[in-house]
Amino acid sequence: KNEVEQSPQNLTAQEGEFITINCSYSVGISALHWLQQHPGGGIVSLFMLSSGKKKHGRLIATINIQEKHSSLHITASHPRDSAVYICAVLAYSGGGADGLTFGKGTHLIIQP
Amino acid sequence: GAVVSQHPSRVICKSGTSVKIECRSLDFQATTMFWYRQFPKQSLMLMATSNEGSKATYEQGVEKDKFLINHASLTLSTLTVTSAHPEDSSFYICSARGVGQGSEQFFGPGTRLTVL
Repeated sequence: KNEVEQSPQNLTAQEGEFITINCSYSVGISALHWLQQHPGGGIVSLFMLSSGKKKHGRLIATINIQEKHSSLHITASHPRDSAVYICAVLAYSGGGADGLTFGKGTHLIIQP
Repeated sequence: GAVVSQHPSRVICKSGTSVKIECRSLDFQATTMFWYRQFPKQSLMLMATSNEGSKATYEQGVEKDKFLINHASLTLSTLTVTSAHPEDSSFYICSARGVGQGSEQFFGPGTRLTVL
């Protein structure tokens, strides 16, 4: 069982819709990352969270440490938001000394 | 955010040859660099962690003699895939973490390796 579970795996929505991607993890963590991977493979770090909530433009990320759950929200979604969104955690153990453990990603398609 | 580059972005090689992938931190000193691998439709998986000036720490199941990692300076780490085989075809991506940046990692654009 993957230590990091994301849902949904695939999401298709219309432009303008409010998008929520969820991430649950089973280990104690020191930080959680939300990453964006484009079709060519390149990865952009969107957020790093250890508590609370962060906002950047139309993106909002929240984390509940007690419930071991994080969400990524996209407001007023746009076709350029189409990408794979990956949740990754920095665990206290496992995944190497400091390496991230990744979810399988959520493939988001925003249709015009 | 900080910038990490990788070279080459794409490489095709024959089975049995060795391939070197470079990862550079362009505007900060990376005390730690990480190498990840992603097979098609799979999660990214950590291969190894390298700290500048010391030997890399490899994850279970990753052959250290096959995947040679060198982190000789604070801005450069290299991954050499020795005697590459078709099953080594994958997307290799590095990330870097610098002093005073906490646990934040900055990712390179990745290298797509195809072994014929």
